[in-house]
Amino acid sequence: GDSVTQMEGPVTLSEEAFLTINCTYTATGYPSLFWYVQYPGEGLQLLLKATKADDKGSNKGFEATYRKETTSFHLEKGSVQVSDSAVYFCALSVYNFNKFYFGSGTKLNVKP
Amino acid sequence: GAGVSQSPRYKVAKRGQDVALRCDPISGHVSLFWYQQALGQGPEFLTYFQNEAQLDKSGLPSDRFFAERPEGSVSTLKIQRTQQEDSAVYLCASSLGVAGGHEQFFGPGTRLTVL
Repeated sequence: GDSVTQMEGPVTLSEEAFLTINCTYTATGYPSLFWYVQYPGEGLQLLLKATKADDKGSNKGFEATYRKETTSFHLEKGSVQVSDSAVYFCALSVYNFNKFYFGSGTKLNVKP
Repeated sequence: GAGVSQSPRYKVAKRGQDVALRCDPISGHVSLFWYQQALGQGPEFLTYFQNEAQLDKSGLPSDRFFAERPEGSVSTLKIQRTQQEDSAVYLCASSLGVAGGHEQFFGPGTRLTVL
């Protein structure tokens, strides 16, 4: 079946450090891939997405590339800020986007 | 409204009670989704509506769970005879289209605690 596996947290980094959060997926068809972010006390927000292989999604300095050969969609940021502290969820949707599969989330703590 | 709203934000129920959770999607959004999020986990799909039609209810964990969207806007998730394992955050999301990469907009969730 379709599923997403992402690295467990929490991840603790100092400000301006490089961030990678790993995400791999299993899908029966050709999924679209997403990263959602949940800031403390807020709802889930779409961070970025990629709808086909080799696409790169980017937003707010975050990037992720859809790698079909490794079934991965790792999230990266070159220089994190304290304000990036949140929980990040990798997700996929197949076919007509009527069902999303989420990973378990990775909590990021950025220290000044 | 500006976004998806849910009410109540917090609900405490005694085991065996029935609860009703409300979702107000963004005006004009065709698609509406319900998810269940256990502590420390990602959201898990419960059900999907396209306008008033419930097209997918494969994620509902038991027949105690029931969802409706009678006029294609507001939706209610009802849980009958609540059990402790129903304790979770229930998320509602809406999107403009029915396919093709439309972003889902999430509400803040209703935290249900069953004692």
